[in-house]
Amino acid sequence: KQEVTQIPAALSVPEGENLVLNCSFTDSAIYNLQWFRQDPGKGLTSLLLIQSSQREQTSGRLNASLDKSSGRSTLYIAASQPGDSATYLCAVRGSGTYKYIFGTGTRLKVLA
Amino acid sequence: EAQVTQNPRYLITVTGKKLTVTCSQNMNHEYMSWYRQDPGLGLRQIYYSMNVEVTDKGDVPEGYKVSRKEKRNFPLILESPSPNQTSLYFCASSLAGASGANVLTFGAGSRLTVL
Repeated sequence: KQEVTQIPAALSVPEGENLVLNCSFTDSAIYNLQWFRQDPGKGLTSLLLIQSSQREQTSGRLNASLDKSSGRSTLYIAASQPGDSATYLCAVRGSGTYKYIFGTGTRLKVLA
Repeated sequence: EAQVTQNPRYLITVTGKKLTVTCSQNMNHEYMSWYRQDPGLGLRQIYYSMNVEVTDKGDVPEGYKVSRKEKRNFPLILESPSPNQTSLYFCASSLAGASGANVLTFGAGSRLTVL
């Protein structure tokens, strides 16, 4: 059964730092992996989607990588800003399924 | 504006009183799904639908029902709610093509309390 883990559960960094959020999954037979942002009391906003055949995706200051063989994905945030403060979640869709398994998220706080 | 709309956003009810949480999307998405979010457990998939009249169970379907009679709507039905169904519920939708680029679009969430 697929399990998705995000470590650390919480992270505080000063403004301007580059940072990496981690997502690990146990079954490498995935269709895609998505990163989301969730603000308190709000829904989830999609940040990046990486298909199983891709190694990375970039959007602005965000870069997500995927290494299926090791069961890992990272979300790199460059030059962090206080507005980046939120919970970041990754979700894996299994190959041949429409089931999504979510990690429990990393709560990020960027200090001004 | 492309969006997923859930109603109600907040609901307090009592054990055993049937309720329906509606979900509607205006993006002509084939795929729709329901999740619940609980502290420490993250988001867990309840049910999903590939298209009209096609639904399947997620990881935590017990106590819930769904229907997909129209492409845009995917209501979540709690026939006899119990306190352990107190949670934050999210509906999401996406295209269902084979390209792999099936970005999930989420609704704003429905906070349900069952007393």
